[in-house]
Formats: sequence, C-alpha cells, structure tokens
Amino acid sequence: DAGVTQSPTHLIKTRGQQVTLRCSPKSGHDTVSWYQQALGQGPQFIFQYYEEEERQRGNFPDRFSGHQFPNYSSELNVNALLLGDSALYLCASSKRLAGDSTDTQYFGPGTRLTVL
Amino acid sequence: DQQVKQNSPSLSVQEGRISILNCDYTNSMFDYFLWYKKYPAEGPTFLISISSIKDKNEDGRFTVFLNKSAKHLSLHIVPSQPGDSAVYFCAANYGGSQGNLIFGKGTKLSVKP
Repeated sequence: DAGVTQSPTHLIKTRGQQVTLRCSPKSGHDTVSWYQQALGQGPQFIFQYYEEEERQRGNFPDRFSGHQFPNYSSELNVNALLLGDSALYLCASSKRLAGDSTDTQYFGPGTRLTVL
Repeated sequence: DQQVKQNSPSLSVQEGRISILNCDYTNSMFDYFLWYKKYPAEGPTFLISISSIKDKNEDGRFTVFLNKSAKHLSLHIVPSQPGDSAVYFCAANYGGSQGNLIFGKGTKLSVKP
C-alpha cells in the first residue's frame, strides 16, 4: 500500500518565480493538508482540501494557493517567491470522518524548496 | 504566540533507559494530541495520539500521558533504542478544526548505545 507521495523531492527557484508542488494521498484517504516547515521549526499549517475545495486555511498570504483533483491528489502553488519561502513543504493525507473531523494525518517525505 | 511548546531542543539517553519528552500547550480548546517522529530527509511519522477524555495511552514501548489541568503531555519511550534517535514533534488540534494540526518546534532525541 503506497503511502503519501510528493514530487519533486528538491527544487531550486529564484525570487519572483512561481512553483507547483504535487502530492498523492495514501490509498483510501480523501483529505489533503499542506504544511510548511522552516529550518528549526515545527510544521506550520497552510491549508486543507476536501472534495476539491479549500476547507481551512492557516496564516499564509494569497500567494499560496492550491487545488485538489477528483482522484484526491493535490497541488500547492506559490507565486512571486520570496527568500523566506525556502522551506520543506509537507503534504499530509487523512480520511474525513463524520462531523467534519479528520482521522490521523499521514505525511509524505516533503519537497525541499530553495529560493535564491 | 506559540500554542504548543517543546522547551527542550534536545535530549540524550542511554540505550535501554527511559526517554521522556515533554510538551506544554496554552489553548484549552485542544482536545486531541499527537506525537510524530521525524528522521532526516523523511516526513513526520505518526507515533501515538491521545484524546482529552483520557489521561494515558499506550502502544508497545510508547506511552503518552496527558495532564489537562497542567496543560502538559509527555511521551515515554521504554526501553529506548538507538533507532529511536530522531526529532519528536508534539501536535494538537481541536474538534471542528478539520485537522489543522498545531506543532511544537520538536525535540531531538539521541539514544546512545
């Protein structure tokens, strides 16, 4: 059973560019969350997608946007990259439960983004 | 303002002994707590969780204790093994948050043979 997969593994961009990161959830999961982990910090919630809609959003600017496809996979897009966007971007998948809560989140290996 | 705090950046323990990792939180609405382990170049791996209606949960060598009045939880690993060496993250969320996990900064555990 494949776990959460992410691509690419590493990415180098320059300031002002745009980037797209991809995530495939664990089999049986329908909810995808994205996190940013800066060096020496814990992961910070960006947003969560369920039924192809953004359901909840953390404290991130509109430069960060996402999408979920009918097969539950997801993309994270970041526009107008800043040096401070350099981080490990983690995708986590989970199963939606009754009452809009979600089951345990399982993480992918992450995409290391470096902005020069 | 950090809602989940792991005040020890690192911990070193001898193989076979107990490892105790601590976590404090400030938001009294949190009702679900999790521990994740992270190796370099990998994503966090779920270890164990506890609901606020419990004060203890065990899974093999791992036990999590929750003290709601003190807003404190701890992860006990007994016995510690060299393969347990990793960064451990405490995370929390609350009903209705739709899975928005709030993480601490992590504690790096080193288990020495």
